[in-house]
Amino acid sequence: IAGITQAPTSQILAAGRRMTLRCTQDMRHNAMYWYRQDLGLGLRLIHYSNTAGTTGKGEVPDGYSVSRANTDDFPLTLASAVPSQTSVYFCASSPYHHSYNSPLHFGNGTRLTVT
Amino acid sequence: QKEVEQNSGPLSVPEGAIASLNCTYSDRGSQSFFWYRQYSGKSPELIMSIYSNGDKEDGRFTAQLNKASQYVSLLIRDSQPSDSATYLCAVNGIKAAGNKLTFGGGTRVLVKP
Repeated sequence: IAGITQAPTSQILAAGRRMTLRCTQDMRHNAMYWYRQDLGLGLRLIHYSNTAGTTGKGEVPDGYSVSRANTDDFPLTLASAVPSQTSVYFCASSPYHHSYNSPLHFGNGTRLTVT
Repeated sequence: QKEVEQNSGPLSVPEGAIASLNCTYSDRGSQSFFWYRQYSGKSPELIMSIYSNGDKEDGRFTAQLNKASQYVSLLIRDSQPSDSATYLCAVNGIKAAGNKLTFGGGTRVLVKP
């Protein structure tokens, strides 16, 4: 089934540890995104990539890094996790980088708890 | 002021009634407007998109856009218990990073049988 696969589904992580959240899509979408979702704050954009080889900062990029070596994969790395990074993380993709007539498709999310 | 604002709810409606959800946005340059539905513990899924002023209907859903007043609304007719979910309004904006979508906090809808 075509779509976005995120791994792991959930993770408990000790503060200070490094963690990479994986995201793979098989729809050949050009653009990919990482959002975090927190109660009362909605979905907030962390980083995005308009096309393979390029990345950009979203609304809340601090403490996170991304790479886009190819079209399909867009991993999100927490270099040194802190408790405030406890959240649900959604990877998303869209056919084109502009949002007009190019809605987002979401993965199933990763629930991360930093202790 | 948040860029995209929604009443968090919960909005409680009886089965068969119309649920009316509102969303206001601050960026006058916004051109694309989306409604996503998110069931508890699941990922958001697109249910409506609208780009020009007026109404757009798709089944039991109607999206309404008024750019002059900077609001977009979603009507759910003949509400069913399966419509119980959180509805997220998303708006693109020239002020947003990379012209990406900005989401509201969501309105939780409860449809009671």
